[in-house]
Amino acid sequence: DAMVIQNPRYQVTQFGKPVTLSCSQTLNHNVMYWYQQKSSQAPKLLFHYYDKDFNNEADTPDNFQSRRPNTSFCFLDIRSPGLGDAAMYLCATSGLWDRGVWGYTFGSGTRLTVV
Amino acid sequence: GENVEQHPSTLSVQEGDSAVIKCTYSDSASNYFPWYKQELGKRPQLIIDIRSNVGEKKDQRIAVTLNKTAKHFSLHITETQPEDSAVYFCAASIRGGGADGLTFGKGTHLIIQP
Repeated sequence: DAMVIQNPRYQVTQFGKPVTLSCSQTLNHNVMYWYQQKSSQAPKLLFHYYDKDFNNEADTPDNFQSRRPNTSFCFLDIRSPGLGDAAMYLCATSGLWDRGVWGYTFGSGTRLTVV
Repeated sequence: GENVEQHPSTLSVQEGDSAVIKCTYSDSASNYFPWYKQELGKRPQLIIDIRSNVGEKKDQRIAVTLNKTAKHFSLHITETQPEDSAVYFCAASIRGGGADGLTFGKGTHLIIQP
């Protein structure tokens, strides 16, 4: 009954070769987030979509882009992966109402290796 | 932006004893404070959360306290068990975590000694 699904679980890409990670949700949440988590570090927010509105964190490198074609899907594109981009990428979703967030849910993550 | 400090980075306790992890935050506008447990290679799992209109919340062996004036919040685990061993992250968010995402602390590696 996975509700936030990330594919693939493991992704190996070559240095400089574009790669896309995907996330889908069955929760109908209006907010979707992408986090990067490097080994032994905390998750770090890259960007999020509130419905179709894209919000980029100030320190997210230009190398990272995102697309949300509909409510259920969100993609993370890494245009030219470097060795420093090797990490676990976590997708999360939440609902939002006037009192704040509810149902904040993480996917299982995609572990990216750059060779 | 928000900054979250978490201590200690590693905590080792005897099975059955209590564990306390503390976090401070910088932005007084933050009003949502979740705690996550993450086992190696797995996703963060929400274990408890608290909103700024509440001072304490408890769920079986786990409790969270919030001091808005001092801008700190703590996780308390009583009667610790081996399966409690994991990395624990605190987080804070403005506007109830609305569309601003979460700012995480650096994590605490909790080790339960048998």
